[in-house]
Amino acid sequence: DAGITQSPRYKITETGRQVTLMCHQTWSHSYMFWYRQDLGHGLRLIYYSAAADITDKGEVPDGYVVSRSKTENFPLTLESATRSQTSVYFCASSELAARTGETQYFGPGTRLLVL
Amino acid sequence: QQQVKQSPQSLIVQKGGISIINCAYENTAFDYFPWYQQFPGKGPALLIAIRPDVSEKKEGRFTISFNKSAKQFSLHIMDSQPGDSATYFCAASKNNAGNMLTFGGGTRLMVKP
Repeated sequence: DAGITQSPRYKITETGRQVTLMCHQTWSHSYMFWYRQDLGHGLRLIYYSAAADITDKGEVPDGYVVSRSKTENFPLTLESATRSQTSVYFCASSELAARTGETQYFGPGTRLLVL
Repeated sequence: QQQVKQSPQSLIVQKGGISIINCAYENTAFDYFPWYQQFPGKGPALLIAIRPDVSEKKEGRFTISFNKSAKQFSLHIMDSQPGDSATYFCAASKNNAGNMLTFGGGTRLMVKP
């Protein structure tokens, strides 16, 4: 029972390169989320998805692209990486709920360094 | 603009003491307030949550106190243990917002033996 996994766990890249972070969940959760975690800023939402082929911007979407062709996968792409995108990235998922507040389950994170 | 403000940024407590972390929010549309706990190298995990129809919720040593009129809520950890050392995030979400959470900046708690 893998739950929610992220790959790679660590990534070093250079400015201007394209990077894709992968997220996979085995629960068939409807909702999936990408956050970045930076010291002093907590967790900030980059993009989220309510279902396959439905995505929407969060608080800090600039410089990122997402897709969701399958329910279980939600990759995040940095089209042209910048140093300001050095961060720890977390993927999360939650069930579809009639009321807000369903628990979000987080992956282990991907630590990205952009040189 | 940070919609959920969390304090303190860091906290050191002796074993057996009470740890208190505070959060304040601005948006009165928020109607769900969870706390997440994160250990080093791990993703956050839900610890405890409250809705504004109650003023307090207790689960074991963890208690959320909620003050709707002041738009504040806090996490109390009773009999704090070294194993509680982690980063704690408060969060809030509002109805019809697609399960989206707005997080506070986090509090790094260290419980000294």
